[in-house]
Amino acid sequence: NAGVTQTPKFQVLKTGQSMTLQCAQDMNHNSMYWYRQDPGMGLRLIYYSASEGTTDKGEVPNGYNVSRLNKREFSLRLESAAPSQTSVYFCASSDPTGANVLTFGAGSRLTVL
Amino acid sequence: AQRVTQPEKLLSVFKGAPVELKCNYSYSGSPELFWYVQYSRQRLQLLLRHISRESIKGFTADLNKGETSFHLKKPFAQEEDSAMYYCALSRSGGYQKVTFGTGTKLQVIP
Repeated sequence: NAGVTQTPKFQVLKTGQSMTLQCAQDMNHNSMYWYRQDPGMGLRLIYYSASEGTTDKGEVPNGYNVSRLNKREFSLRLESAAPSQTSVYFCASSDPTGANVLTFGAGSRLTVL
Repeated sequence: AQRVTQPEKLLSVFKGAPVELKCNYSYSGSPELFWYVQYSRQRLQLLLRHISRESIKGFTADLNKGETSFHLKKPFAQEEDSAMYYCALSRSGGYQKVTFGTGTKLQVIP
């Protein structure tokens, strides 16, 4: 049981480049989330998907797009990376019983030069 | 809007001393409150939630709706408690977004 798997673990981009962070969960969870973690800022919600087929903006959606490909997968895309997007990105999912308890991935460290 | 405030970025205590990590929230409806912990080189994980009213690793937290607080407490700190602690909030019911505070780093001094 892998839980929540994120790829890649590390990535270095140049300003203006694009990339996609992948996330998959094997727990049959309905809801999935993308957060970014910055020193002193805590975890900030970028986008979330309450269930397959729906996505909603979080606190800091600008510069990002998401795709809920199916129930298992939720990807985060940076179309034109900026240095302000240097961060650690976490994907999470929550169980379908309504408890909103999150299971997190290991994180993806992104550096934009 | 839902908001979580953790006023302390860093809390240093001696081993064996009591610990209280503060969390205040702003939400007009019926909230669900959580504490998550991130140990060094480990994933973020749930520590406890107010619904279950349980004690995990000696930690407890009581939801005070009057003061809109959900402080995390432990009577005697252990070195292994050193970690980053996040308070989080969601609406009641499933499929809700979860909002986190800025986190408090707990440092237990031997």
